[in-house]
Amino acid sequence: GQQLNQSPQSMFIQEGEDVSMNCTSSSIFNTWLWYKQEPGEGPVLLIALYKAGELTSNGRLTAQFGITRKDSFLNISASIPSDVGIYFCAGIASGTYKYIFGTGTRLKVLA
Amino acid sequence: GAVVSQHPSRVICKSGTSVKIECRSLDFQATTMFWYRQFPKKSLMLMATSNEGSKATYEQGVEKDKFLINHASLTLSTLTVTSAHPEDSSFYICSAPSGTSGFTDTQYFGPGTRLTVL
Repeated sequence: GQQLNQSPQSMFIQEGEDVSMNCTSSSIFNTWLWYKQEPGEGPVLLIALYKAGELTSNGRLTAQFGITRKDSFLNISASIPSDVGIYFCAGIASGTYKYIFGTGTRLKVLA
Repeated sequence: GAVVSQHPSRVICKSGTSVKIECRSLDFQATTMFWYRQFPKKSLMLMATSNEGSKATYEQGVEKDKFLINHASLTLSTLTVTSAHPEDSSFYICSAPSGTSGFTDTQYFGPGTRLTVL
């Protein structure tokens, strides 16, 4: 099935550092969402974006819906150990309600 | 946010047996639920859309006779893996949209069910 390209695949960072990850698509999406998944759990919604250019924050997390509607990024500021997990972007294309998931970014934070 | 539960969280079964996984929306009604499959270190792949009171819609390549879906009420969808084989071992996750717009609302995910077929 179709997947979104997400980068980087994995990151090892020091506690306190900022993190940036992005998601790109060859096609246009009407909605972008960012989820976090911890081992053995389902994804938990972090941020939802509904309009091109939209910039939304949730605590230390900030996400943007790209102007071209083909990309989105997620930033995490001042990372802490509990930020560890896999971050997935998901997009919803025009005319559909189905989620297309990104390939995931595995984040590890070193204390 | 909305709460979606799944049961069981883990199941181990013998090859050839059938396994039923339940997905419940706990604090909202969901006329539509979605079933995903996730392999280790991989992303989520949509298997099917479960519709209350009607037949499920399966994604290309997903065998409908293998993965039976029943959405009998506004808060419960079940996925039955029939005649399970080791290659069916995976993490199965359901989701449900919560809101007034129906299936276009933001999806909330259950905690997942890890199926191991021996």
